[in-house]
Amino acid sequence: DVVMTQSSLSLPVTLGQPASISCRSSQSLVSSDGNTYLNWFQQRPGQSPRRLIYKVSNRDSGVPDRFSGSGSGTDFTLEISRVEAEDVGVYYCMQGTHWPRTFGQGTRVEIK
Amino acid sequence: QVQLQESGPRLVKPSETLSLTCAVSGYSISRGYYWVWIRQPPGRGLEWIGCMSQSGSVNYNPSLKSRVTISLDMAKNQFSLSLSSVTAADTAMYYCARDSALMDYWGQGTLVTVSS
Repeated sequence: DVVMTQSSLSLPVTLGQPASISCRSSQSLVSSDGNTYLNWFQQRPGQSPRRLIYKVSNRDSGVPDRFSGSGSGTDFTLEISRVEAEDVGVYYCMQGTHWPRTFGQGTRVEIK
Repeated sequence: QVQLQESGPRLVKPSETLSLTCAVSGYSISRGYYWVWIRQPPGRGLEWIGCMSQSGSVNYNPSLKSRVTISLDMAKNQFSLSLSSVTAADTAMYYCARDSALMDYWGQGTLVTVSS
């Protein structure tokens, strides 16, 4: 299985400041079709996961532009340019290139 | 707007079979995509269970493969999960979703507790 490793389990941030979450895969996520199926999900307290970013850097409709994704191969990053109170929750990376699909362990973003 | 809604028993006894259904609206499952099940034990992370396509192709998590069956009901536009020989370790929120590579739409989830 492809192991997805997120850099930290907890990320205390100050409102209005930037935040960055790193995700590393144990194998390249470049698919045979040329796409890189690395997605980011946000799970707010008591809610189901919501996709924020797909295929590394594509923001979903309705997702604020303070969220951005980058990376390639095995190293990926989710950035929040200015953290707002509504961004509190757990963020997961997930790879959709290899079987079985796998998730990172999650990073909890909390306000200092 | 694509919507998914899980349903099924909230309490299952140990050694019995957990059965859940995901009703899909706003999209016909016969048109395409893999249809996916994911679970999340209380206070823990997400685990991909498996998926099935409209053509009948299936993929299961090897850790659960011997106990899992996913099926599609095109007529009812829904798909199902069956997990046999459950134990307390199978207590989790169970989610259904569309598309195994991109997981663009998710259900709200249903909490299933395994207990006698």
